[in-house]
Amino acid sequence: AQSVAQPEDQVNVAEGNPLTVKCTYSVSGNPYLFWYVQYPNRGLQFLLKYITGDNLVKGSYGFEAEFNKSQTSFHLKKPSALVSDSALYFCAVRDMSRDSSYKLIFGSGTRLLVRP
Amino acid sequence: SQTIHQWPATLVQPVGSPLSLECTVEGTSNPNLYWYRQAAGRGLQLLFYSVGIGQISSEVPQNLSASRPQDRQFILSSKKLLLSDSGFYLCAFLSGDRGHTSNQPQHFGDGTRLSIL
Repeated sequence: AQSVAQPEDQVNVAEGNPLTVKCTYSVSGNPYLFWYVQYPNRGLQFLLKYITGDNLVKGSYGFEAEFNKSQTSFHLKKPSALVSDSALYFCAVRDMSRDSSYKLIFGSGTRLLVRP
Repeated sequence: SQTIHQWPATLVQPVGSPLSLECTVEGTSNPNLYWYRQAAGRGLQLLFYSVGIGQISSEVPQNLSASRPQDRQFILSSKKLLLSDSGFYLCAFLSGDRGHTSNQPQHFGDGTRLSIL
């Protein structure tokens, strides 16, 4: 079965330090992977995606993610965290069912708290 | 540019009352449309999706229904709300420009927070 796991409910980091939000996936075939961020009472905002090519993907707001096929992971990273990065982060993988739905399978979310 | 609008932003309804939440998309044709529910600010549950006018697929059995009367309009409804219908409802679309492709992200509206009393 296809699935996405975000093993950490919450990640705490001090402002200026690097941050990592973990994501692992399970799909058949090559994965299409996405990261989204959600601020309070807002919808999800697309950050970045991995489809193919370079394993290091750069996205919005200085975020990047590293695709690791052997570890089936797609961890979100940022070299220097900002207090404004505090939010809920979702990892998602495209459902590879042979239909036209193009559904996403989401992880349970990781709350990032950046301390001043 | 492509945009998505949801309304209302917040809604307080009594148990047993009807519901209608609306979502519209601009700037693209033939989008895929999705309704999600998010409980307690955490995981997303896909409720319905639509790949075309009048075509609705339900992901989970529930008290809600969806309709797509126009290409870029998606409506979530209920005849009688239950307490368990409370939550944050999100609409999303996948652009239909140049045909749907697996590598495009879904784009989300700002949601409707529904409280049932």
